[in-house]
Amino acid sequence: DAGVIQSPRHEVTEMGQEVTLRCKPISGHNSLFWYRQTMMRGLELLIYFNNNVPIDDSGMPEDRFSAKMPNASFSTLKIQPSEPRDSAVYFCASSPRGGRGTGELFFGEGSRLTVL
Amino acid sequence: DQQVKQNSPSLSVQEGRISILNCDYTNSMFDYFLWYKKYPAEGPTFLISISSIKDKNEDGRFTVFLNKSAKHLSLHIVPSQPGDSAVYFCAASGSARQLTFGSGTQLTVLP
Repeated sequence: DAGVIQSPRHEVTEMGQEVTLRCKPISGHNSLFWYRQTMMRGLELLIYFNNNVPIDDSGMPEDRFSAKMPNASFSTLKIQPSEPRDSAVYFCASSPRGGRGTGELFFGEGSRLTVL
Repeated sequence: DQQVKQNSPSLSVQEGRISILNCDYTNSMFDYFLWYKKYPAEGPTFLISISSIKDKNEDGRFTVFLNKSAKHLSLHIVPSQPGDSAVYFCAASGSARQLTFGSGTQLTVLP
């Protein structure tokens, strides 16, 4: 029974480069969330989708960040151009609860991004 | 402005004793609270939750207490075990049905 799958697990890139993080949610889950973890701010919600539609992207820090969910089994988070302050662990999570998010979220193992 | 605060970044407890992790929130519209546990190099996993209509929820060694008037919740682990050493995140949600997380507390259980 596969959980949420994220790739890559680790990414090291140089400032100015484009970064694309990928996520495959658990089959049957219709809500998908992107979080960013930093030491200072803990887990921050960046954006969430319900039935492939972006519902709230108010947490996306800047226009350099964009997220898509072309179908129920795939989502991407893109940073272009990347900056050193984007270095963090990015988590994708999914939920079966119709976007209500009150219950359990199932997290992937995260993508650790380092921007030099 | 952080709506969910975990003011203790770390806590050390002796094996067998009680661990108490605290969390405060500012948004009175929050009506559902959760705790997640995170091991290094893994994603957070759900541990226990509580609705605002309750003041206590227990699951084995884990108990969550909610004090709505103080906007405070706590997670009690008893007895603590070395395998409980992890980062614990408090989370809350309201009508928007999105989870807002605290910054986490690193629990270390010493053998």
